Amino acid sequence: EDQVTQSPEALRLQEGESSSLNCSYTVSGLRGLFWYRQDPGKGPEFLFTLYSAGEEKEKERLKATLTKKESFLHITAPKPEDSATYLCAGYGGATNKLIFGTGTLLAVQP
Amino acid sequence: DTEVTQTPKHLVMGMTNKKSLKCEQHMGHRAMYWYKQKAKKPPELMFVYSYEKLSINESVPSRFSPECPNSSLLNLHLHALQPEDSALYLCASSPRGTSGTDTQYFGPGTRLTVL
Repeated sequence: EDQVTQSPEALRLQEGESSSLNCSYTVSGLRGLFWYRQDPGKGPEFLFTLYSAGEEKEKERLKATLTKKESFLHITAPKPEDSATYLCAGYGGATNKLIFGTGTLLAVQP
Repeated sequence: DTEVTQTPKHLVMGMTNKKSLKCEQHMGHRAMYWYKQKAKKPPELMFVYSYEKLSINESVPSRFSPECPNSSLLNLHLHALQPEDSALYLCASSPRGTSGTDTQYFGPGTRLTVL
């Protein structure tokens, strides 16, 4: 069964304390791995799309990487405004739809 | 510009009411999606329209009825909902139909409460 698993469920960081969020996937024939940020009560905001193992993308303090089994979202020197739920989703397999992980709730304290 | 708009932002309805949610995008995208999201859960796919034709219905109850009048507009008609249907309803669009490699861009959502 196609599946996306994110860890940890929740992460609390001090401002400036770098860390990584993990997204493990078992999606046959993965055609795209997507990262979104979601603030409470709002729609997911697109961050990155990764298509092949070894690919990396960066945006401000965020960097996403992809291997054949997992993706990481690295957050460098986070700020309180980076606090949000980060969702990972894979597209592929037989379902022809995005398969979401359950998200990582990130809290960055000043 | 990657903007998807949704109206209304909030909706409260009784179980006997009929209401509609509206979604618009003017990016020329050819696939549009409805998702349902409960608190602390990821979005769940409900319907997909590709080139204005319904291509995926995730076995959604008939009290939810989607409509795609044109390539920019997507509606979700609601009738005889249950309290457990209360959720954040999200619309999304992607450029080239359901190719899988295209990014889906989400709207801000409609917060629906069923009394």
